[in-house]
Amino acid sequence: GAGVSQSPSNKVTEKGKDVELRCDPISGHTALYWYRQRLGQGLEFLIYFQGNSAPDKSGLPSDRFSAERTGESVSTLTIQRTQQEDSAVYLCASSLEVRSYEQYFGPGTRLTVT
Amino acid sequence: AQTVTQSQPEMSVQEAETVTLSCTYDTSESDYYLFWYKQPPSRQMILVIRQEAYKQQNATENRFSVNFQKAAKSFSLKISDSQLGDAAMYFCAYAGGFKTIFGAGTRLFVKA
Repeated sequence: GAGVSQSPSNKVTEKGKDVELRCDPISGHTALYWYRQRLGQGLEFLIYFQGNSAPDKSGLPSDRFSAERTGESVSTLTIQRTQQEDSAVYLCASSLEVRSYEQYFGPGTRLTVT
Repeated sequence: AQTVTQSQPEMSVQEAETVTLSCTYDTSESDYYLFWYKQPPSRQMILVIRQEAYKQQNATENRFSVNFQKAAKSFSLKISDSQLGDAAMYFCAYAGGFKTIFGAGTRLFVKA
């Protein structure tokens, strides 16, 4: 079946604007994760969703970051009042359930804040 | 808190040779998983190999194998018969307690 998809592939925005990043997980995967990857660095956990449970938002760096997920489908990551330090690749991943741990990644969205 | 350390920012290997990437982790849990992911320039993270902590036998996937030393909290990746397509960033990851933590990565160069 189809893998994890993300849109847009690239996004350039001006400082202070809001952006929305979208993730479509693999069908049937109940767990969904968002990560941030700054240039040349590893993955920084932002948030995960598991079914209808309350999401784990412990990795969100500030209140400008929020994420939503409708049931077990699409998720959107919203960054309000973007700052230059928000420039990074934002990766989404899904897994059958959070305890299965084996994550399947999307191609990421490269966000550039000018 | 759990941590994952990859002490080699870059490694280089000659085509057809063998290379080993190092990874150490710290945890107080006994039940967890370990992974190696590959990220080529396309940015697509690909799962290379996984290891369950309760299994003593080292995982193997074709040319990729691990050396899992639970007591030493070490989880290295061996790539045999290296190919040009193996050139990428490699991330070691620890998964347990509903969290997955990634190391900083090792960039692997493969020389023709």
